[in-house]
Parts: sequence; C-alpha cells; structure tokens
Amino acid sequence: NFMLTQPHSVSESPGKTVTISCTRSSGSIATNFVQWYQQRPGSAPTTVIYEDNQRPSGVPDRFSGSIDSSSNSASLTISGLKTEDEADYYCQSYDSSKRVFGGGTKLTVL
Amino acid sequence: EVQLVQSGAEVKKPGESLNISCKGSGYSFTSYWIGWVRQIPGKGLEWMGIIYPGDSDTRFSPSFQGQVTISADKSISTAYLQWSSLKASDTAMYYCARSEDGYASPFDYWGQGTLVTVSS
Repeated sequence: NFMLTQPHSVSESPGKTVTISCTRSSGSIATNFVQWYQQRPGSAPTTVIYEDNQRPSGVPDRFSGSIDSSSNSASLTISGLKTEDEADYYCQSYDSSKRVFGGGTKLTVL
Repeated sequence: EVQLVQSGAEVKKPGESLNISCKGSGYSFTSYWIGWVRQIPGKGLEWMGIIYPGDSDTRFSPSFQGQVTISADKSISTAYLQWSSLKASDTAMYYCARSEDGYASPFDYWGQGTLVTVSS
C-alpha cells in the first residue's frame, strides 16, 4: 500500500507561479504515471496533466507537470496564475492493483 | 461528443438498497473502462473500483471490496454502482469516469456526479 501526500493548501497572487507537490510514500514515483485533476467548486474533476507531464488538448501551457525521483515526488506547476485557476487539485497514481488519489490541495489565487 | 450522464440525487434510509447509474454515449462503451469515485462532502476523492463493460472484468479498492457492487449492461451502455444495505457513512457524491485501462490511464471524461444522502 502507498499514499500520496499533498499540502492542504497553497495561495499565490495573480500572475505569479505556484507549485503543488505530491509525495509517494512507498514505491518509486517514476515507476507509475501521475495524473493531476482540477476540481472547481460544485463541479466534477477534469484532467490537467496526465502521464506525469502531458497536457490534454484545451489545457493551457501555463500548466506543467514533472517528477523528481530524489524526493519521490510529482509536481504541478501553474504559471501566470489567473483567478479562474482557484480550485482543488488532486494527484493520482497507481500500483498493480489499485488507483490512489492524493488528499488534494486547495489553491487560492488572491 | 463523449458524455457520461449519471442518475439523479437520492435520499435513502439506513439499511435500504440503492442502485445508481452512469450512461455513456458518443464512444464505444465496451472499449473503455468505467471507474467510480467517492467524495464525502468537504473531503477528497477516493477511488472505489472500475469495470470493463466489454467483459465485465471488475477491480476494487481494498477499502470498498465487499461494500459495493459494480456492474454494467453493455446493451444500454450503462454502468451501475449498487449498495445492498446503506449506512449513514455512505453519504457522499459519487462520480463515474472513463479510462482507457484499469489503472494507468487517466480518467478523461467524468459524469456530473450523483449525490447520495443516507439519513434516518
């Protein structure tokens, strides 16, 4: 069994850059893809990054993903922050028998 | 256009049974997996399980194994999440979502969610 740990909340000003981390408790972060989902209040989640660093069509290139094997973590970076980016963000990965979501990070853009 | 349309909100009493649905359209329903995700009010996302409607291959999170049933009727492109005896702790929003495979691929399309309230 493994867990994905995210910061509970982050905040930053419009136009700035923010990075949200996702640390895997056991097993290598590099072995299994990491996806990132955005969930705005009252809405279903949508994918913003898949397969560690791929953007679905329609997601702006202000969103980027990466992994760092030294810290066993994945990161979601959002540059040029807009007020519309204010949402909850969840990382998700898997092993041979299940998918696991991180606890979610509330991004406040103020 | 790919769509997953879920059944409407439910209010039930503890001990009652429930079946919620997720109807897929705009794609080959039997070629993609349908997963279920729970979100307790104010909390995060939890993966419950997933089914491949093509052959009904089903996998569960250990946390939900034995607590719910996942099934699909490919003749009407619909997946189901079922409870035989609800508890108050089952109160949550439930989402269905589509994926290319059981674990590795992202959920690329989501249903709008079904709110289940269990209260005496």
